[in-house]
Amino acid sequence: SSELTQDPAVSVALGQTVRITCQGDGLRIYYASWYQQKPGQAPVLVIYDRNNRPSGIPDRFSGSNSGNTASLTITGTQAEDEADYYCYSRDSSGNRWVFGGGTKLTVL
Amino acid sequence: QLQLQESGPGLVKPSETLSLTCTVSDGSISSSSYFWGWIRQPPGKGLEWVGSIYYSGSTYYNPSLKSRVTISVDTSKNQFSLKLSSVTAADTAVYYCARLVRDTVTTRLPDYWGQGTLVTVSS
Repeated sequence: SSELTQDPAVSVALGQTVRITCQGDGLRIYYASWYQQKPGQAPVLVIYDRNNRPSGIPDRFSGSNSGNTASLTITGTQAEDEADYYCYSRDSSGNRWVFGGGTKLTVL
Repeated sequence: QLQLQESGPGLVKPSETLSLTCTVSDGSISSSSYFWGWIRQPPGKGLEWVGSIYYSGSTYYNPSLKSRVTISVDTSKNQFSLKLSSVTAADTAVYYCARLVRDTVTTRLPDYWGQGTLVTVSS
């Protein structure tokens, strides 16, 4: 079992805003980062250290943190955003690096 | 642009040792800014952090795998390697190698990934 908990699946209408959440005690101490993974491909970093975007990631992706919950928000969701999304951080001891179980985003 | 490429057998028998190598191109494995790591993903499932190594040889392993995992580095070849012993079907997964950024909150943030290699454990 993962120490970071994500909803297994979320859906959003094309062009709308969606929020994907990640819960864990470690998030009270450490910011989350987020990865996008499309079928048959390696994960791609989309947000790191709460709300920083790597070069080349559209600004419709943003991140936030509150208490034990981290969130990835996609504003104006595009069809190409359909993918699995994983949060990543350290556990509350700081001695383990963990991924959330992943959220499958469907764009309707 | 940095590239990472996994190599090794795609099929391993139960109880044997899985061995993979990651070759780093267009970047130095001896950079003080990065760790290097392995992450795996069973078919249809989520990502699992396996372990990491620094160019000096300092390692950190997932506690759940620690008794079976060894990660090593060869700076002369710009490569690092994974050995996982006593494998079972539960170790069947796509294994990714990745560069891990030190200067972040997590201190080991995967930013560049290899394409991944499927290792199947079966007799």
